[in-house]
Amino acid sequence: GAGVSQTPSNKVTEKGKYVELRCDPISGHTALYWYRQSLGQGPEFLIYFQGTGAADDSGLPNDRFFAVRPEGSVSTLKIQRTERGDSAVYLCASSSQGSHMNTEAFFGQGTRLTVV
Amino acid sequence: AQSVSQHNHHVILSEAASLELGCNYSYGGTVNLFWYVQYPGQHLQLLLKYFSGDPLVKGIKGFEAEFIKSKFSFNLRKPSVQWSDTAEYFCAAYNTNAGKSTFGDGTTLTVKP
Repeated sequence: GAGVSQTPSNKVTEKGKYVELRCDPISGHTALYWYRQSLGQGPEFLIYFQGTGAADDSGLPNDRFFAVRPEGSVSTLKIQRTERGDSAVYLCASSSQGSHMNTEAFFGQGTRLTVV
Repeated sequence: AQSVSQHNHHVILSEAASLELGCNYSYGGTVNLFWYVQYPGQHLQLLLKYFSGDPLVKGIKGFEAEFIKSKFSFNLRKPSVQWSDTAEYFCAAYNTNAGKSTFGDGTTLTVKP
C-alpha cells in the first residue's frame, strides 16, 4: 500500500479483555516496529521485527504483550488481560532495510486503545 | 539509561518568527539522531536525520538541525515559521551499539497567524 496502515483506528475494551491490533506495513519493507505513546509522552519502543522474526522485543513491558509477523508482512500486536494502564496510542512503523532506525521509518496513524 | 530531553513542552510563536527547539541526549557513544513532526490528525513524519558527516543537516520545509557532540545536542531550527508549522515535534536518538531508540516527550509548536 501507499503507507503504513493500522486497524482499528480506535479500540475501546473492558479491563481484563484480550485485544489484537493490526499493522500493514509498506509493501516490501522488511523491518517493522511497534511503539506505544502515552498522553504527553513520546513514542516508547516495544518490539522490532526483521522479516518474520522478532529481532528485539526488549521493549515489551510484560508477558501480557506479544506480537507476531508470521509471513514477514502484516503484524499483530496482542495484549492479554488488558489493564487501564495499557490505554495509549499504539504506533507501527516500517522501513526498507537494516536495523532499527538506521534508516528512515515510516509511521502509521496509530491505534488508540482505551481500556475502561 | 539512554534518554532524550526536549526542553520546551509548548512553544507559541507569531508567523515569521525564528524557531529553535532544544534536544539533548544522554548517551555518549555513537548515535543516530532524528527529528519527527506530527501535524494535527496526521502520522509521524521524518523532518531530518543525522548519521555522520556535516553536523548541520537540512530537512524538509526549511528546517535544519545542528549536531553538537560536545553538548550532546541536536537542536532544530527554522528562520521563519509559518502557520502551517503548527504541530508536535519529536527528537529521537538511536544508540547504534545497543540497538536502542529513544524519543523525547515532544514539543508542541503553535504558530499564530
